[in-house]
Amino acid sequence: ETGVTQTPRHLVMGMTNKKSLKCEQHLGHNAMYWYKQSAKKPLELMFVYNFKEQTENNSVPSRFSPECPNSSHLFLHLHTLQPEDSALYLCASSQEPPRGGGETQYFGPGTRLLVL
Amino acid sequence: SQQGEEDPQALSIQEGENATMNCSYKTSINNLQWYRQNSGRGLVHLILIRSNEREKHSGRLRVTLDTSKKSSSLLITASRAADTASYFCATEGGGSQGNLIFGKGTKLSVKP
Repeated sequence: ETGVTQTPRHLVMGMTNKKSLKCEQHLGHNAMYWYKQSAKKPLELMFVYNFKEQTENNSVPSRFSPECPNSSHLFLHLHTLQPEDSALYLCASSQEPPRGGGETQYFGPGTRLLVL
Repeated sequence: SQQGEEDPQALSIQEGENATMNCSYKTSINNLQWYRQNSGRGLVHLILIRSNEREKHSGRLRVTLDTSKKSSSLLITASRAADTASYFCATEGGGSQGNLIFGKGTKLSVKP
């Protein structure tokens, strides 16, 4: 689709489970993002990585732990989640990090997460 | 917050009609982008308009920006059933605060 892939596409987990979401971009971009999309709420930026370094943590609870081993891969490690964490988690990338210059972000298809 | 707010929340039209969606925001911006999202999928970038531009076209899309009113509109002409999707505006501020801030979106339904 867009050069950004996410796995798994769907995930059901209990509150005591530990799981990881994976994102890979094949576009040679330097910046990667995690967003959370809940029903009837705006898209929420969670984390921003630039050249593998985290540059933004948007007050995300510690039960969400990002990892960026290289500029092509981004993970979101999940543990002891709550039912209200159920949402669509979207990964995106852009050539450069956001600096007000109008970088287009390219999104993956998302992981639909349900926490029971 | 410079969050964009789209209106209407939902819009239903017949194929061939034009669809207009509006976005308002609160603080000064460097640029405004429109994205489209098919149900349960990722967002796809449609068009970007910079703060010094008033109008921009891309195919059947026309975007306007009025920085004095802090508003933008997205017009889709001669709509098709395949245009059915949610449309989001995203504002980008200046300096180091360049993260995109998305609105809640307009859900467009184009009936064949």
